[in-house]
Amino acid sequence: KQEVTQIPAALSVPEGENLVLNCSFTDSAIYNLQWFRQDPGKGLTSLLLIQSSQREQTSGRLNASLDKSSGRSTLYIAASQPGDSATYLCAVRGSNAGGTSYGKLTFGQGTILTVHP
Amino acid sequence: DVKVTQSSRYLVKRTGEKVFLECVQDMDHENMFWYRQDPGLGLRLIYFSYDVKMKEKGDIPEGYSVSREKKERFSLILESASTNQTSMYLCASSLHGTANQHFGDGTRLSIL
Repeated sequence: KQEVTQIPAALSVPEGENLVLNCSFTDSAIYNLQWFRQDPGKGLTSLLLIQSSQREQTSGRLNASLDKSSGRSTLYIAASQPGDSATYLCAVRGSNAGGTSYGKLTFGQGTILTVHP
Repeated sequence: DVKVTQSSRYLVKRTGEKVFLECVQDMDHENMFWYRQDPGLGLRLIYFSYDVKMKEKGDIPEGYSVSREKKERFSLILESASTNQTSMYLCASSLHGTANQHFGDGTRLSIL
């Protein structure tokens, strides 16, 4: 059974810092991996999706990397801003090799990020 | 732009009631999903549907059922609500099985 772990559980940084959020997963047979952002009381917003054949994806100040063989992904946020404060969730999508995943995502517990001015 | 709409942001019901949570997407997506989110447990998949009238159990289907009579609408049904079903419920949709999932804003359900 796939398990996804995110470290740290919470992170507080001053504005302008570069930071790294970590995600690890136990089963490397994944189809792809997604990073989401969740604001308090809201749903999830997809930030980046990395296919299993890719090493990284970039969007603006965000860069996500994937090392499938070691079961790890990182989300790098450059020049953090107070508006980046949110919970960041990592989710892995099981491989369709078994024919039953149908896009099933397994989520980590999230990292609560606070960027203070 | 992508839009997933959940009918209620907050809902309070009583133990034993039959509860319906509605979700509508306007993107002609094939797949729709229901999750619940609890502190310390994260998001867990309850049910999903990959086509009209088709459904598959997720990780925690007990106490729930679903209905997908039209492509754009996916309903979650609590047959007889219990206090342990108090939670945040999130609906999502995706174009196909491995595509990006788009989420609604969630329904915070309290069962008293």
